[in-house]
This record gives sequence, structure tokens and C-alpha cells, in this order.
Amino acid sequence: SQTIHQWPATLVQPVGSPLSLECTVEGTSNPNLYWYRQAAGRGLQLLFYSVGIGQISSEVPQNLSASRPQDRQFILSSKKLLLSDSGFYLCAWSGGSKKDTQYFGPGTRLTVL
Amino acid sequence: AQSVTQPDIHITVSEGASLELRCNYSYGATPYLFWYVQSPGQGLQLLLKYFSGDTLVQGIKGFEAEFKRSQSSFNLRKPSVHWSDAAEYFCAVALNTGNQFYFGTGTSLTVIP
Repeated sequence: SQTIHQWPATLVQPVGSPLSLECTVEGTSNPNLYWYRQAAGRGLQLLFYSVGIGQISSEVPQNLSASRPQDRQFILSSKKLLLSDSGFYLCAWSGGSKKDTQYFGPGTRLTVL
Repeated sequence: AQSVTQPDIHITVSEGASLELRCNYSYGATPYLFWYVQSPGQGLQLLLKYFSGDTLVQGIKGFEAEFKRSQSSFNLRKPSVHWSDAAEYFCAVALNTGNQFYFGTGTSLTVIP
């Protein structure tokens, strides 16, 4: 069966520090991968998605970037965090077909102070 | 532009009462439709999905949803709510083009004894 992992689960970082969040998927190959941000009391905002290694699509201009160095690894990064980067970050995967369900990881709670 | 609307930000129901959460979408063709549930601090869990066929779909935890093309709606229902159903519920739409999901802003459910 497929599983999706995210780490760390919780992170507290000062403003201006770098960020690296990691997401890995097991039990499937060539998945579509997604990064979402969920601000407090708000819905999900799609940040990036990837249909293959090295292929990243950005949905909104922002302080963040994403990379996919391996088939089942998706990384969310920032060189300098802003206060507004605080939130709950969710990684998801789908099978690649247009109607495939997205399955979500447990999330990372990021607090920027 | 495509959109997903969940008009109820917050709903409170008594344990044992019936529940209906509303979801409307704006899209020219019938999309693929999903409901997810999120417990505090957790990722999203798929409750049910509709691709085609029978417009009444059954999901996990006793939930069901009905697709109504004429109303562009996909409302989630449960005949008798349990205290453990308290959570955030998200409706999502996947289009038959591209690889993206569009999420509603969510409905927060409180269950009172």
C-alpha cells in the first residue's frame, strides 16, 4: 500500500532563516506531487505541483520554492522565511490520471517568529 | 474561473442529529468531486468521491453525498452525527484537464452532547 511521509511534524524558525520541508511517498511510482499551505482558519492554497522529476509548476508568486530531486521526493524550501510563511503545510500525491484522488500526508506545522 | 463554494463556515449540531454540509462548484462540465475530513493538526482524509454513474455515493464513517447536476452541488450528509465527527470538512473538485484540485474553504463542524 502507498504511504506518504512529511517531516518535520513541527518547526519553529526565526524570520530570515532558511527552510526545508521534505515529503516522500512509498509504494507507488511516478506520482503527481503537491504542496499546499493552510493558514489558520482558512482553506487550502496550492503552492506547487509536480508531474515528474525536475518538473515543478508554481501556482502563486511567493517566498517559497519546490524541488523534486527523486521520483518520490518533494521538497519545499525558502532562503529567507517571512512571518507570513507561518502555517500548516500539506504534501499530497495522486496517481497521475486526471481523476485520481489526492492523498495527503500528516502535515508540518511551521511557526515563524 | 473555476471555483468551489462551501457557504457554511461553521455548523453546530447535536449528537445524534442529522447533518448536511453544502458544496457548490462553478465549472462548465461535470468535474470529479471529493469530500475530505481534517481533524485538528492532521492531514486530510478522503471520505468519498464521485466520478460518474450513481449520483448518490457512499463513503467511510457513515457519510454519503449526492451529486445534483442541475444545482452544481455535491452535498455531504450523515443521518446521525457522532461526537467524533467534529472536524473540518473540505469539498474538492478535479477538472478533466490539468492535474489540479480546487478546494472549498471548508466547513468546521462542532458536535454538542
